[in-house]
Amino acid sequence: KNEVEQSPQNLTAQEGEFITINCSYSVGISALHWLQQHPGGGIVSLFMLSSGKKKHGRLIATINIQEKHSSLHITASHPRDSAVYICAVRASGGGADGLTFGKGTHLIIQP
Amino acid sequence: DSGVTQTPKHLITATGQRVTLRCSPRSGDLSVYWYQQSLDQGLQFLIQYYNGEERAKGNILERFSAQQFPDLHSELNLSSLELGDSALYFCASSPWASGGGYNEQFFGPGTRLTVL
Repeated sequence: KNEVEQSPQNLTAQEGEFITINCSYSVGISALHWLQQHPGGGIVSLFMLSSGKKKHGRLIATINIQEKHSSLHITASHPRDSAVYICAVRASGGGADGLTFGKGTHLIIQP
Repeated sequence: DSGVTQTPKHLITATGQRVTLRCSPRSGDLSVYWYQQSLDQGLQFLIQYYNGEERAKGNILERFSAQQFPDLHSELNLSSLELGDSALYFCASSPWASGGGYNEQFFGPGTRLTVL
């Protein structure tokens, strides 16, 4: 079983819909990242969370440390939001800062 | 643009060969990370350097090695290449965090390695 699980794996929605992507993890963490990867490969960091909720434009990320769960929401989705969204965690306990990644959610927003 | 640069963008080589991937971190960032993204394994952490010293190893093969130079740029060396080493290789950097804390990582554009 992967330490970081994302759902759904694939999501197709219509423009304007509210999108939710979920991430569950099984290890203690000090931080959780939401990343975006467009076709062509580049990775952009959307959020880094250790507690609570963050908002940037139409994107909202929440985390529940007790339940080991995070969600990424996209409001008023747009075709340019089509990308792979990846959840990644940094394990707690000091030492390595290398991230452990989920397999990603492929999101397609149709006009 | 994250401020992290990687060269080359694309690299095509043959099995058995050796290649070097280069990463320049954002100005002032002391930590450099290397990640591999393959179709079957997804994204995996390979190795981290902090201010010239190796800090942590992930799933890095013995055929792979890395180093960080005094000017903080880093190189990832891949030798005895196999077909399965074909992947996107990302470098990321982050600033120093006081008190043993942790800061956000900024990803470079990646190097696409194809082994034929």
